[in-house]
Amino acid sequence: GAVVSQHPSWVICKSGTSVKIECRSLDFQATTMFWYRQFPKQSLMLMATSNEGSKATYEQGVEKDKFLINHASLTLSTLTVTSAHPEDSSFYICSALGDRSVAFFGQGTRLTVV
Amino acid sequence: EDKVVQSPLSLVVHEGDTVTLNCSYEVTNFRSLLWYKQEKKAPTFLFMLTSSGIEKKSGRLSSILDKKELFSILNITATQTGDSAVYLCAVPPGLISGYALNFGKGTSLLVTP
Repeated sequence: GAVVSQHPSWVICKSGTSVKIECRSLDFQATTMFWYRQFPKQSLMLMATSNEGSKATYEQGVEKDKFLINHASLTLSTLTVTSAHPEDSSFYICSALGDRSVAFFGQGTRLTVV
Repeated sequence: EDKVVQSPLSLVVHEGDTVTLNCSYEVTNFRSLLWYKQEKKAPTFLFMLTSSGIEKKSGRLSSILDKKELFSILNITATQTGDSAVYLCAVPPGLISGYALNFGKGTSLLVTP
């Protein structure tokens, strides 16, 4: 299957700082990538749809100024959590659609804000 | 509104048991149904089903789709502790690609020694 690489796999940051998470499709081009957030023992919650060359589409309740998404190329989307707070601590996962709408996921990033 | 419902939400079995996980769906313009396994990190792809009655098989895992009754099952035979995970069922919305999958809440499976 297609490979999606997400980096970093974990990060600890101080309150008020910003953190950037990268998502790369390694062996295919992805015009669309998705960013999810997952709380413990819960399913994936879609945050936004990242479209190459255009603005991301955010789900209701997700602050676009806090979660900045950039999809500058067909193989890279980034999520920047700005002015992070402890309540932003979570597991963030990206995915990209491969052939026949099969979604392939990055390894996820565990963010801890202290 | 599209809907994906999985059952049971959690399950505890002994090694060697066979389990059946269920996924029912309501979606306009059905294209496919996907199963994923999520351990500690992100989900890994298991199966994609598009046609009724055709079993997909990979080792001890198998899955089948019933498009008339709008459900799919995932079977795991001779379970092992390494099968412990959350199993997610997902359906892409509509006929046009480029939209995020609709996920069920998942079935949390624990296989005890």
